[in-house]
Amino acid sequence: DTEVTQTPKHLVMGMTNKKSLKCEQHMGHRAMYWYKQKAKKPPELMFVYSYEKLSINESVPSRFSPECPNSSLLNLHLHALQPEDSALYLCASSQDGAGRTEAFFGQGTRLTVV
Amino acid sequence: EDKVVQSPLSLVVHEGDTVTLNCSYEVTNFRSLLWYKQEKKAPTFLFMLTSSGIEKKSGRLSSILDKKELFSILNITATQTGDSAIYLCAVLADYGNKLVFGAGTILRVKS
Repeated sequence: DTEVTQTPKHLVMGMTNKKSLKCEQHMGHRAMYWYKQKAKKPPELMFVYSYEKLSINESVPSRFSPECPNSSLLNLHLHALQPEDSALYLCASSQDGAGRTEAFFGQGTRLTVV
Repeated sequence: EDKVVQSPLSLVVHEGDTVTLNCSYEVTNFRSLLWYKQEKKAPTFLFMLTSSGIEKKSGRLSSILDKKELFSILNITATQTGDSAIYLCAVLADYGNKLVFGAGTILRVKS
């Protein structure tokens, strides 16, 4: 099983809503990532969790709040987003966070903020 | 600042052609370089390169890394329309926690 599963696939939310994106992997990977990808741009790193601890926050606004409840799950809590936050949100995982193994990506959540 | 530069930005070829995609990088604490193919949504993994001069091959695709000159190439031989995609080069840096992507090369293979 080399799958990273993200839910939901699509999400439309208002600027006052609170929603969460979910990501799950059962490959025993110990590093998990959130990326944001705008149209015709490469993915941009948002957060890295390594062994369930937040190791990198790329100066992401506080309206995005990551959570890693256990080694298989990664959430991204969204609150008071702006229309410019509309993007494809990709989750990825890798066996470790030390550069020895490749990262596998989920299919992404297409988020639209209205 | 970590930087990954891909060229060309876009490319149109005919089926059967061979293409070479380029990726150069400047990052601190380089760990490895990865190539991904992105069609509709998730980037799918192609290769991971850690050592210089060792070619990795998968079917019609191959890739090699030059750590002295800080670049990598991805070759696709006998291209097919199914190869049409965005090819992303990414470098694992900063003790492997940070995957920095290039802008990608948009490849379109015409039948």
